[in-house]
Amino acid sequence: QVQLVESGGGVVQPGASLRLSCVASGFTFNTYGMHWVRQAPGRGLEWVAGVSNDGIKKYYADSVGGRFTTSRDNYRETLYLQMNGLRAEDTATYYCARTRWLDDYRFYDYWGQGTLVTVSS
Amino acid sequence: IVLTQSPGTLSLSPGERATLSCRASQTINSNYLVWYQQKPGQAPRLLIYGASTRAAGLPDRFTGSGSETDFTLTISRLEPEDFAVYYCLHYDNPWTFGQGTKVEIK
Repeated sequence: QVQLVESGGGVVQPGASLRLSCVASGFTFNTYGMHWVRQAPGRGLEWVAGVSNDGIKKYYADSVGGRFTTSRDNYRETLYLQMNGLRAEDTATYYCARTRWLDDYRFYDYWGQGTLVTVSS
Repeated sequence: IVLTQSPGTLSLSPGERATLSCRASQTINSNYLVWYQQKPGQAPRLLIYGASTRAAGLPDRFTGSGSETDFTLTISRLEPEDFAVYYCLHYDNPWTFGQGTKVEIK
């Protein structure tokens, strides 16, 4: 069955860096685009970044552009989010999500359980 | 594109009908309009894609409808497990979520 398992979250000071990982299993990883979505405590969902199945096309929200970089290792079936220059407003649970293109439809069909990033001095 | 969900909170009793709205700031491709359910401490769960197609195994009390700028998620008869937060998503760059509607027990 499809599984997405995030890791790498923790408590860091403002300005620090952190790298999140999302290990995939149960499907052919290199045929799916993957995205990161975050959720600040008690708040709604916010799209963060996305990467195409081959790792070539990358997309970023304005709020993280220039600070966050997403990448993937299709051999290791792992998605990454490198977060630099972390700010208090980056505090959130970070989810990885699998993108699905079904005929003319587009959506996220599977999500990981999330990893919590806390930015605090 | 901004997605505005209303109401922010819906207080209803089990067995009642819930009607959730998602309004886009401009016309969007309904193929890219998606609904998710999220319960506390859990990841979002896919409910509806393409504005009206139910995800596999979703009970038929959940119905999605709408086009252009106005989309609706209807839960015909609320079950105890349906009390949660619901989000709409426009799946296109930049990917945009609505702010959510909380369906709570009255």
